[in-house]
Amino acid sequence: EAGVTQSPTHLIKTRGQQATLRCSPISGHTSVYWYQQALGLGLQFLLWYDEGEERNRGNFPPRFSGRQFPNYSSELNVNALELEDSALYLCASRSRDRDNLPYSGANVLTFGAGSRLTVL
Amino acid sequence: AQSVAQPEDQVNVAEGNPLTVKCTYSVSGNPYLFWYVQYPNRGLQFLLKYITGDNLVKGSYGFEAEFNKSQTSFHLKKPSALVSDSALYFCASSRWGRDDKIIFGKGTRLHILP
Repeated sequence: EAGVTQSPTHLIKTRGQQATLRCSPISGHTSVYWYQQALGLGLQFLLWYDEGEERNRGNFPPRFSGRQFPNYSSELNVNALELEDSALYLCASRSRDRDNLPYSGANVLTFGAGSRLTVL
Repeated sequence: AQSVAQPEDQVNVAEGNPLTVKCTYSVSGNPYLFWYVQYPNRGLQFLLKYITGDNLVKGSYGFEAEFNKSQTSFHLKKPSALVSDSALYFCASSRWGRDDKIIFGKGTRLHILP
C-alpha cells in the first residue's frame, strides 16, 4: 500500500512569489491535514480537509490556502511568500471513524515525508 | 483552548538506561493523546495512543506511556534506551468533535549516548 506522498520534495522561491505544494493521501483516506514545521516551533496546524471541504484552519493568514480534489488529494498554496514561511510542510491523511464520521480524533494520522520550502 | 506542552527541548540518556519524555496537555473534556516520532528527513511515525481504558499504553519499539488525568500528563517511557531511539518526539492531543484539531507539542529531541 502506497503511503502519503508529497511533492515537490524541495522548493526554492523568492519573497513575494507563490508556492504550491501537493499531497496524495493513502487510498481510502478522506481527510487531509497540513502542518508547518518551522525550526523551534514544532508542528503548527494549518488546514484540515475532508470530503472536499475545509473543516478547520489554524492561526495562519489568508495567504495560506488550499483545496481538496474529488480523489481526496490536496494542494496547499502560499501566496506572497515571506522569509518566515521557510519551513517543512507536512501533509497527513486519516480515515474516517467506524461510524464514517470525519471528526473522530481517535484515528491515527499517517504523514508524508514533507516538502521543504525555502524562501530567499 | 487546547494545548500540548513538552517542557524539555532535549533529553540525553545513556544507552541501556530508562528514558522519559514529558508531555502535559490542556483539553476540555476527555482527550485523545498520541506520541509520534520523527527521524531525520522523514515524516512523523505513530508510536502509541491513549483513547480510553487502561492508563498504561504500550506501543511500537518497546515504548509505553502513562495517562495521568490528575496531573494532565502523558509521559513517554522506555525501560532500556537504544542508540537507535535517538530522534525527535512529538506529543499530540485531539478530541471527538466537529472542530477536531489535532494539536502537537513543540517536540523533544532525544539523544541516546552510546
